[in-house]
Amino acid sequence: QLQLQESGSGLVKPSQTLSLTCTVSGDSISSSGYPWSWIRQPPGKDLEWIGYIYHSGSTYYNPSLKSRVTISVDTSKNKFSLKLTSVTAADTALYYCARGGGFFEYWGQGTLVTVSS
Amino acid sequence: EIVMTQSPATLSVSPGDRAALSCRASQSVSTGLAWYQQKPGQAPRLLIYGASNRATGIPARFSGSGSGTEFTLTISSLQSEDFAVYYCQHYNNWPPITFGQGTRLEIK
Repeated sequence: QLQLQESGSGLVKPSQTLSLTCTVSGDSISSSGYPWSWIRQPPGKDLEWIGYIYHSGSTYYNPSLKSRVTISVDTSKNKFSLKLTSVTAADTALYYCARGGGFFEYWGQGTLVTVSS
Repeated sequence: EIVMTQSPATLSVSPGDRAALSCRASQSVSTGLAWYQQKPGQAPRLLIYGASNRATGIPARFSGSGSGTEFTLTISSLQSEDFAVYYCQHYNNWPPITFGQGTRLEIK
């Protein structure tokens, strides 16, 4: 059974960098062939795709966030990570990791990140 | 960027009745369209992909139709567990992948 689990800081100060990690179990990032995505949902608002990464390290980002986003992968630990720089209150959201780059069949439970001083 | 517009924002339906939720794309996405169900405190659950293919374990009362710019998710006989928020999402001509704003399905 594939499971994804987000972890990282739940509180980030404005202008600082948000860092999250997604740990995958039940599937191998390096051999599955699927891309691995980050998606976020501000409280009470719509879902927003952030970007995804393949095991090779190839990435695709949402153009609206591209200048601030880095997604990386550690295949030896079966994890992938998100960094979002220069955060503001608008980046407060529930952050999900998911498997896929088209549609998303498997999701983590989500982790709430609040941007506040 | 392709904009996905869902209607109505809220749909009130009685248990046992049929519900039809609409999703419109600002340009053609062919059949690159997925539907998700989200309940409070939970991650979205994939229902439909490829506009009309049910995901693994999804009951047959859920069906998707459409292509191009107009799509419909139909729930044939609403069960109590079906009352939730539903999102459509395109994955054609990405990036970026975009989601609709959601339709809240509530008990009438």
